[in-house]
Amino acid sequence: EDQVTQSPEALRLQEGESSSLNCSYTVSGLRGLFWYRQDPGKGPEFLFTLYSAGEEKEKERLKATLTKKESFLHITAPKPEDSATYLCAVQLSGGGADGLTFGKGTHLIIQP
Amino acid sequence: ETGVTQSPTHLIKTRGQQVTLRCSSQSGHNTVSWYQQALGQGPQFIFQYYREEENGRGNFPPRFSGLQFPNYSSELNVNALELDDSALYLCASSSNRGLDEKLFFGSGTQLSVL
Repeated sequence: EDQVTQSPEALRLQEGESSSLNCSYTVSGLRGLFWYRQDPGKGPEFLFTLYSAGEEKEKERLKATLTKKESFLHITAPKPEDSATYLCAVQLSGGGADGLTFGKGTHLIIQP
Repeated sequence: ETGVTQSPTHLIKTRGQQVTLRCSSQSGHNTVSWYQQALGQGPQFIFQYYREEENGRGNFPPRFSGLQFPNYSSELNVNALELDDSALYLCASSSNRGLDEKLFFGSGTQLSVL
């Protein structure tokens, strides 16, 4: 069974304190791995897509990396506005019509 | 460029009733997918529509059905509501039958079943 597991479930950091969120996956065939950010009362907002092991992508204070079994979302010197739930999702290699399989998310709180 | 809009934002129904949720896709997108997000969980794929036909479905029973219209807007219908159907229902639009790297989500409809 295809599975996506995110850890930790919740993380509280001080402003400027860097850390990493983990997404491990067990799938039959990976087409792409996605990171989304979700604010309370809103739908998920796209951040990154990674397609192959060794790939890295950056956006402001966020950097996503991918290995054959897991992905990391590194957050450097976070600010309070980075507080959100970060969701990881995988798309299987079956052609796109299977939708995305999401993890439960990591709830990140950045304290001033 | 208009984003994905969903209506209504909130809805309260009783067990056994039927509900219809609506979604207008982002301009230029021909694919719509629907997700169910229970409290504290990640979104779960319900189904996807491309050019007015269902072309992918997750592990949801037939009482979850949908439509896509020629303007690519979409409806999600749920019959015989159960208490466990209480969740945030998200619509997402994309192009290229879901092979795009990005899904654009609406803000969702919060459904409460009493």
